[in-house]
Amino acid sequence: QVQLQESGPGLVKPSQTLSLTCTVSGGSIRSGGYYWSWIRQHPGKGLEWIGHRYHSGDDDYNPSLKSRVTISVDTSKNQFSLKLTSVTAADTAVYYCARYYRNYERTWFDPWGQGILVTVSS
Amino acid sequence: SSELTQDPTVSVALGQTVRITCQGDSLRSYYASWYQQKPGQAPVLVIFDENNRPSGIPDRFSGSSSGNTASLTITGAQAEDEADYYCNSRDSSGHHAVFGGGTQLTVL
Repeated sequence: QVQLQESGPGLVKPSQTLSLTCTVSGGSIRSGGYYWSWIRQHPGKGLEWIGHRYHSGDDDYNPSLKSRVTISVDTSKNQFSLKLTSVTAADTAVYYCARYYRNYERTWFDPWGQGILVTVSS
Repeated sequence: SSELTQDPTVSVALGQTVRITCQGDSLRSYYASWYQQKPGQAPVLVIFDENNRPSGIPDRFSGSSSGNTASLTITGAQAEDEADYYCNSRDSSGHHAVFGGGTQLTVL
């Protein structure tokens, strides 16, 4: 079955860019109908959708983060990535990647990666 | 604040039935999905398309919806069901995904 695994630095300095990669195994990132998404969870808090992208380019982002976020898809590597610019301590969170299905009234995320804690600190 | 509202905490006696609710105007138009998250673990999808279970999810988990409220019901709660539960759907525009604030379930 499809599995996702996040990778990237666990520590980022304030004002710098957070960059994470999610590697998809057990299936193709070009699978029809699925978007590729990032979600984060601040320590002790709930889930926050960051954004998603389809392999052919259609994307969407949380309005509260849109000016700082880019999600890209690399079909040759079966990976997708997150870039979040100008980070502050408020961006410290566990970041999850997930496969996202959305079609008409249907919406769900499955599976999820194990998550990666990113701390923003000097 | 989230466009999907959940009670922060719910408790249930072992073996009893519990309902966790999620309210939001977008639920009149879009299905809810539900996720279970145990401490230190990633969320796991337990209900999608309002009332469908992925393979491997026990049949004591079920979903339903009425008006602007979606519900996750656990019939015969087990100790291992103690976790945080999140609902997910779209925002009021229908464009963006949104999660409820989460419900911490305690099994007594």
